[in-house]
Amino acid sequence: GQQLNQSPQSMFIQEGEDVSMNCTSSSIFNTWLWYKQEPGEGPVLLIALYKAGELTSNGRLTAQFGITRKDSFLNISASIPSDVGIYFCAGQTQTGANNLFFGTGTRLTVIP
Amino acid sequence: SQTIHQWPATLVQPVGSPLSLECTVEGTSNPNLYWYRQAAGRGLQLLFYSVGIGQISSEVPQNLSASRPQDRQFILSSKKLLLSDSGFYLCAWSKGSLYGTEAFFGQGTRLTVV
Repeated sequence: GQQLNQSPQSMFIQEGEDVSMNCTSSSIFNTWLWYKQEPGEGPVLLIALYKAGELTSNGRLTAQFGITRKDSFLNISASIPSDVGIYFCAGQTQTGANNLFFGTGTRLTVIP
Repeated sequence: SQTIHQWPATLVQPVGSPLSLECTVEGTSNPNLYWYRQAAGRGLQLLFYSVGIGQISSEVPQNLSASRPQDRQFILSSKKLLLSDSGFYLCAWSKGSLYGTEAFFGQGTRLTVV
C-alpha cells in the first residue's frame, strides 16, 4: 500500500501551546482526512479535505490540503488536556474502497 | 444518522480456538466495509474490505477471514487463533461520493490470544 509519513511521532507540550503535525506522501491524493484516537477507542474523524489548497477548521483544529496534493497538516491551537490522543492522517489516491491509506500516527501528550 | 456497532469490546481467547467478531452499520445502505488491525501504539493495517454482499477482498495473507452475509453486516473470523492474532480490531464503513471517501470507525475489539 501507499506510504504516508506522519511527523512527529510523538509530542509533549504544555497546556495552552499550539500544536502542528503533518503528513506527506510520494503520491498525489485527492482526499485527506484527520482522525483522533483515544485509548481503547476507535478513531474519530476530525476534518475532511477534498481540494488542493483547502483550509478547513473545526473549533481549535485547522487542517490544510497541500497545494501539491502530496501533503497535509493539522494545527491545534491553545491545547487542553483532553486533546491527548493519537492523531492519524489518512489519504485517498482515487475513488475505490481499497484506496484509503493511514499514517502511523502522532501521539500527543498535553502537560497541565 | 449512521451508526456502527462492533462487538465484543474485549476478548481473551486461547491459542487454537475459533474467532468471530461482528460489525453492523445502521442508517445507510450498501456501504463499503472494512476490517483493520492495530498493534499496540502502531498505525492501522487494512485486513479486508467489502464493496457489497458476498464480496470480500483481502489485503494481506493471514490466519483470518471475513464474510458479509448481509448488506450492513461484516464478520471477521478465524478457525484457529495464533498468538500473533492479538491486537485491536477495528471495523469501519464508508460511502464513496464524488468528492472522496470518509471512513467511520467502530469502538474496536481488544483481542488477546493466550
